[in-house]
Amino acid sequence: GAVVSQHPSRVICKSGTSVKIECRSLDFQATTMFWYRQFPKKSLMLMATSNEGSKATYEQGVEKDKFLINHASLTLSTLTVTSAHPEDSSFYICSAGGDGVVNYGYTFGSGTRLTVV
Amino acid sequence: QKEVEQNSGPLSVPEGAIASLNCTYSDRGSQSFFWYRQYSGKSPELIMFIYSNGDKEDGRFTAQLNKASQYVSLLIRDSQPSDSATYLCAVSAGNNRKLIWGLGTSLAVNP
Repeated sequence: GAVVSQHPSRVICKSGTSVKIECRSLDFQATTMFWYRQFPKKSLMLMATSNEGSKATYEQGVEKDKFLINHASLTLSTLTVTSAHPEDSSFYICSAGGDGVVNYGYTFGSGTRLTVV
Repeated sequence: QKEVEQNSGPLSVPEGAIASLNCTYSDRGSQSFFWYRQYSGKSPELIMFIYSNGDKEDGRFTAQLNKASQYVSLLIRDSQPSDSATYLCAVSAGNNRKLIWGLGTSLAVNP
């Protein structure tokens, strides 16, 4: 089955620093990747959609200069949280899909728990 | 505004019973429907997808879709304590591939 690897699983960083999160599709070509964040006991909030080789489409209210998304290849997408602040602490999750994914569903990475101190 | 609605629960069922989870959606153009399970502190895991009216069975899980009523449900037979989780309903609007998510239903299966 489709496997999506997300790293790191957990990161603690100081306020003002940047953090990069990687999402890799291991056994399929991910033409579309989604980045979500989730606060405790809340639902998933879509941040942006990225298609390989093109700029990400950000959801309303998500700062594209703060959350940099790169989807340079069919197997790798990265999310960089720039100048992180404590309010950015959250659970970040990627999901990926290839051709036919509309019918067959997206696979999620294991998530990254970011804590900004 | 395209919406997907779920009863937040918690839904509590005894072990061995059938758990029934429901989801309604607003966009009649929706084409694909997904059920994900999320354990606390973990990322969602795909359980079922369905895109044709009727029932689709996979082991203990059955997804039911009624496009006329804009309703999709998930039945879990012989519920186990390990099924205790939040169940998320997601709907695909089509070409843009973006999923519209419900807020999830919390299920507790009591031993």
